[in-house]
Amino acid sequence: QKEVEQNSGPLSVPEGAIASLNCTYSDRVSQSFFWYRQYSGKSPELIMSIYSNGDKEDGRFTAQLNKASQYVSLLIRDSQPSDSATYLCAVDNAGNMLTFGGGTRLMVKP
Amino acid sequence: NAGVTQTPKFQVLKTGQSMTLQCAQDMNHNSMYWYRQDPGMGLRLIYYSASEGTTDKGEVPNGYNVSRLNKREFSLRLESAAPSQTSVYFCASSDPGTAYGYTFGSGTRLTVV
Repeated sequence: QKEVEQNSGPLSVPEGAIASLNCTYSDRVSQSFFWYRQYSGKSPELIMSIYSNGDKEDGRFTAQLNKASQYVSLLIRDSQPSDSATYLCAVDNAGNMLTFGGGTRLMVKP
Repeated sequence: NAGVTQTPKFQVLKTGQSMTLQCAQDMNHNSMYWYRQDPGMGLRLIYYSASEGTTDKGEVPNGYNVSRLNKREFSLRLESAAPSQTSVYFCASSDPGTAYGYTFGSGTRLTVV
């Protein structure tokens, strides 16, 4: 069973702080990694993708990938109350489908 | 540009009733997927279609059937609904494969009583 693990949270951070979300995966052949944001009652929306070891930055978001440790993370700088949502980590399985983690609920307090 | 459209958005069924969830995408994607999302269980794959004319079972296919009607449309059918099928259902599409992630529909909230 290929697994993607996330701490369910909630992760609570004050406004303006850095939120750090973590994800581990079990399948060493995975090549593509994604972070989705899901607001309550809404569908997941793609916010970051990462394919190579290292960091990838997009605005306030930074995705980090370490394939040797089978670890992917998402950093949100200058967290805003509007960032409060559930963040889903997703990992590809040989190009046919994604496996999702259970999600981490982030709460940004004003 | 509608993306992925799902209908209906809400549905209440009685145990034993049948229904079909509709999904259509206008992005010319080859691959389409049906997931269910339950509290504490995350997104679980029910069925997927890698291309027009093919369908494959996912993690939780029991009690469901699918039809890839054409490249745009991928429907999910519950033949005899059970309370355990109460969930939020998401359709998604992607191309090529999963290299760029999925685009999700808005979801169908299904309650079976």
